[in-house]
Amino acid sequence: GQSLEQPSEVTAVEGAIVQINCTYQTSGFYGLSWYQQHDGGAPTFLSYNALDGLEETGRFSSFLSRSDSYGYLLLQELQMKDSASYFCAVRDDKIIFGKGTRLHILP
Amino acid sequence: DADVTQTPRNRITKTGKRIMLECSQTKGHDRMYWYRQDPGLGLRLIYYSFDVKDINKGEISDGYSVSRQAQAKFSLSLESAIPNQTALYFCATSGGDRVTYNEQFFGPGTRLTVL
Repeated sequence: GQSLEQPSEVTAVEGAIVQINCTYQTSGFYGLSWYQQHDGGAPTFLSYNALDGLEETGRFSSFLSRSDSYGYLLLQELQMKDSASYFCAVRDDKIIFGKGTRLHILP
Repeated sequence: DADVTQTPRNRITKTGKRIMLECSQTKGHDRMYWYRQDPGLGLRLIYYSFDVKDINKGEISDGYSVSRQAQAKFSLSLESAIPNQTALYFCATSGGDRVTYNEQFFGPGTRLTVL
């Protein structure tokens, strides 16, 4: 079967760094994506990793290790507006989403 | 104007009623998807379509059907709604090549309540 595991909640302080992990088990794998969803809003695409290593986009970075079936999203210089849910998603012939990690940011 | 639109945005209906949720997109994408979101369960794929003549079941297709009327339109139907279909429904699109396939664009969602 296919499964993605990510923590249900993470709490961090404004200005700090936080890492959200994702492990996956899928029959096929082409890459790992990350999406952000604010309360009441639609998911929005953040990043995609097809190859091992770190991809950086501004304050957000995403990492993939295919051999470990593991990836993470790294958020730096946290701002209150980063309070949201974050979903990892695996692509095989379609895209399967994890259950999401709720990020709480303390002032 | 929004690239991916969904109608209605909110709907309350009764058990046994037939409901259609509609999705339109102006992104020119071939691939369209329907997801439902329940608290704590993330996004679960109901159906997806890679072009007008292609329809595929997702993880949770039972109780749902879809129609791809045109490249830009993909509708989801609940033939006989039941209360456990109460959820937030999202339509999404993506491109079809190796790169653009990986980024999905979501509509604003339809909140459906079945009483």
